[in-house]
Amino acid sequence: QVQLQESGPGLVKPSQTLSLTCTVSHASFTNAAYFWTWIRQHPGKGLEWIGHIYYSGRTYYNPSLMRRLTISVDTSNNQFSLSLTSVTAADTAMYFCTRGSGTVGPDFWGQGTLVTVPS
Amino acid sequence: QSALTQPPSASGSPGQSVTISCTGTSSDVGGYNYVSWYQQHPGKAPKLMIFEVSKRPSGVPDRFSGSKSGNSASLTVSGLQAEDEADYYCCSHAGNNNYVFGTGTKVTVL
Repeated sequence: QVQLQESGPGLVKPSQTLSLTCTVSHASFTNAAYFWTWIRQHPGKGLEWIGHIYYSGRTYYNPSLMRRLTISVDTSNNQFSLSLTSVTAADTAMYFCTRGSGTVGPDFWGQGTLVTVPS
Repeated sequence: QSALTQPPSASGSPGQSVTISCTGTSSDVGGYNYVSWYQQHPGKAPKLMIFEVSKRPSGVPDRFSGSKSGNSASLTVSGLQAEDEADYYCCSHAGNNNYVFGTGTKVTVL
């Protein structure tokens, strides 16, 4: 069973950088059929696609976050990471990492990690 | 990319059926047979229930079914059970490696 686990600080100060890492286990991380995704959910709200990356390093970003966003991959450690700069209270959300594929979208999800940016 | 439109809420009594719609455009739902549905219980991560419009992952009960017509997709939950009470989200491929989620529907079992 594919497993994903998010890690990173739960509290980030305004204007600083939010950095999260997702560790993947029991999966073929370098299978080109899959991509690795960050999705967030604001408190009490719906799901928002942040972006995703293939093991090759090819990335796709949500246009609304593109200027502040970097997603990177570390194939040697089966990890991928999210970096979101200049955060504000509007970036307070539960952040999920997932595996996805072209026709399915996200299939396996991490449990999520709550990141709070105080106003 | 605009979110797909879902009704905010739906409900049914145990044993009944409930159907949730997911409306997009020809650029997403209507353009691809790549619609997925997710179930999310409070405080939990979403769980994949349907993919490629109507396929069920292993372990998902056949009470869950999906369909699509034009720019709209639907999820039907038959024989409602208490544990089906949750939020449900659709997700569609939108071309050029883009994906878009629905606004979400809260299903209540009366």
